[in-house]
Amino acid sequence: AQSVAQPEDQVNVAEGNPLTVKCTYSVSGNPYLFWYVQYPNRGLQFLLKYITGDNLVKGSYGFEAEFNKSQTSFHLKKPSALVSDSALYFCAVRDLEGSNDYKLSFGAGTTVTVRA
Amino acid sequence: DAGVIQSPRHEVTEMGQEVTLRCKPISGHDYLFWYRQTMMRGLELLIYFNNNVPIDDSGMPEDRFSAKMPNASFSTLKIQPSEPRDSAVYFCASSPDRVREKLFFGSGTQLSVL
Repeated sequence: AQSVAQPEDQVNVAEGNPLTVKCTYSVSGNPYLFWYVQYPNRGLQFLLKYITGDNLVKGSYGFEAEFNKSQTSFHLKKPSALVSDSALYFCAVRDLEGSNDYKLSFGAGTTVTVRA
Repeated sequence: DAGVIQSPRHEVTEMGQEVTLRCKPISGHDYLFWYRQTMMRGLELLIYFNNNVPIDDSGMPEDRFSAKMPNASFSTLKIQPSEPRDSAVYFCASSPDRVREKLFFGSGTQLSVL
């Protein structure tokens, strides 16, 4: 069975400071990993994904994430946070082993607040 | 493209009433997913379709829930009869690919069952 853990319910940072949102995963086979962001009263929007290749993935709005297989982690990072980055962030995983590879399991979400 | 379109945006109904949620996926996307979001359970996959055919409905909570996709551009999620515990945000998402590609989410339907 696949699962995702986002250990922090909330992350608070000052504008201009680096932002990190943590994610760890558990799968039986190889993972496909995703980050999504949700703004109030909106659907989830895709930020970035790791499928294969370079462990450092760059995505939308200046975000990046590093796939670490040994630590089973896929933390989301941004070097300099903006107030507009304040939102709910979800990590998600697909387990490529078995026939349920389409199933995307989401973490519980991390609320990011960037103060001016 | 207008993206995934869901209607209504908000639905308030009384317990026991029938509720129908609607979704128009992005043209050309062969995969359509219905998710439910609650504070307690987070995002849950209810059902997914491939080429209008339901493939996995194991996430549908009860027989009160049903979903259809009569054609490539329209899907419905119906709850009959509705109960207060069905209150949640229901998202529809579509994708051109089953595994590798991202999901494109609609803005969701906020359902409140009184």
